[in-house]
Amino acid sequence: KQEVTQIPAALSVPEGENLVLNCSFTDSAIYNLQWFRQDPGKGLTSLLLIQSSQREQTSGRLNASLDKSSGRSTLYIAASQPGDSATYLCAVWSSGGFKTIFGAGTRLFVKA
Amino acid sequence: GAVVSQHPSWVICKSGTSVKIECRSLDFQATTMFWYRQFPKQSLMLMATSNEGSKATYEQGVEKDKFLINHASLTLSTLTVTSAHPEDSSFYICSARRGEGRQETQYFGPGTRLLVL
Repeated sequence: KQEVTQIPAALSVPEGENLVLNCSFTDSAIYNLQWFRQDPGKGLTSLLLIQSSQREQTSGRLNASLDKSSGRSTLYIAASQPGDSATYLCAVWSSGGFKTIFGAGTRLFVKA
Repeated sequence: GAVVSQHPSWVICKSGTSVKIECRSLDFQATTMFWYRQFPKQSLMLMATSNEGSKATYEQGVEKDKFLINHASLTLSTLTVTSAHPEDSSFYICSARRGEGRQETQYFGPGTRLLVL
């Protein structure tokens, strides 16, 4: 059974700091891994999608890496801004069972 | 890009009533859709997999008689919360997959917030 863990559960940083969010999964048989952002009371915003054959994806100040063999992914946010404050969710599309499993999320607060 | 819509975006109902939530893929056909539930400050939990033309597959612990799923067409899946109670109050999100095999991409709807009084 696929399990997805995100560390840390919460993070507070000053504006401008670079930061890393971590995601680990127990079963390396995955199709892809996706990072989402969720603002309070809102739906999901897809940030980056990494296919199982890829090592990383970049979009603006965001960079996500994937090490399938070790069951890890990181989301790197450069030069954080108060507008980055949100919950970041990692989701793994597991080929075993053919379903997407979410981590519990990391709540990020960027102080101005 | 691909869009998945949900209706309604929020609903308030009395305990004991039934509520239907629609999930539509607007510009593609989806043979498989998924329903998730999210309680406050928790992550998304998969409730069931909705398959067009066949019965839904429910995750362990999800009551299939309480959460009725119908996937009658390639663009529409509905989730009906029957005899809703306050503990069913939650944020319900659907998703639809586009493409085939490893090229499939999953798109999420904006969610429906349900409050049962």
